Amino acid sequence: QVRLQESGPGLVKPSETLSLTCAVSGYSISSDSHWGWIRQPPGKGLEWIANIFHSGGTNYNPSLKSRVTISIDTSKNQVSLKLISVTAADTAVYYCARRVAYSLDAFDIWGPGTMVTVSS
Amino acid sequence: QSALTQPASVSGSPGQPITISCTGTRNDVGGYNYVSWYQQHPGKAPKLLIYDVTNRPSGVSNRFSGSKSGNTASLTISGLQAEDEADYYCSSYTSTSTLVVFGGGTKLTVL
Repeated sequence: QVRLQESGPGLVKPSETLSLTCAVSGYSISSDSHWGWIRQPPGKGLEWIANIFHSGGTNYNPSLKSRVTISIDTSKNQVSLKLISVTAADTAVYYCARRVAYSLDAFDIWGPGTMVTVSS
Repeated sequence: QSALTQPASVSGSPGQPITISCTGTRNDVGGYNYVSWYQQHPGKAPKLLIYDVTNRPSGVSNRFSGSKSGNTASLTISGLQAEDEADYYCSSYTSTSTLVVFGGGTKLTVL
């Protein structure tokens, strides 16, 4: 069974860098697959952040592209996200997810999410 | 403001069918057969219900079905059940640089 588990600091100060990790179990991320990060501010809707292909190719939401880096570590079977210069607007639950094979938008396996609060 | 437009709320009685709409443009919903639907219960991660407009992942009830006409996609739930009460989100591939866009979400209440 494929499982994803996000981990992160919980609380980040404004202007600092947020680093998140998604550990994947039950599936090799070296397989032909795409992985993504999606976030959800409290009480609001979903926002796609970025995707990465198992070979390292990336796509970013233009609204976040200048501040975001997504990466993949096949040796650890995990996907990571880095967001620099955070503000209160980055407060959200951050999810990692596996994209459906051959689809361009659907994510079929999601982690439970990790809440990140940006506050001094 | 979300890229895709969904009604903020819908409601129905147990056993009745309901439909949730998702309106976009020819750059997303209308231009490609890459529309997905998710169900999200409070405090939980979204669950994929429909992908590529009409496809249901293994394990998803056949009470959930998807369709599309022009720039509007729809999720239909037949035979509403109490456990269907949740938030529902649509998403679509977009030819703009954003790549993936979501709707603002629809809160379904089972009366």
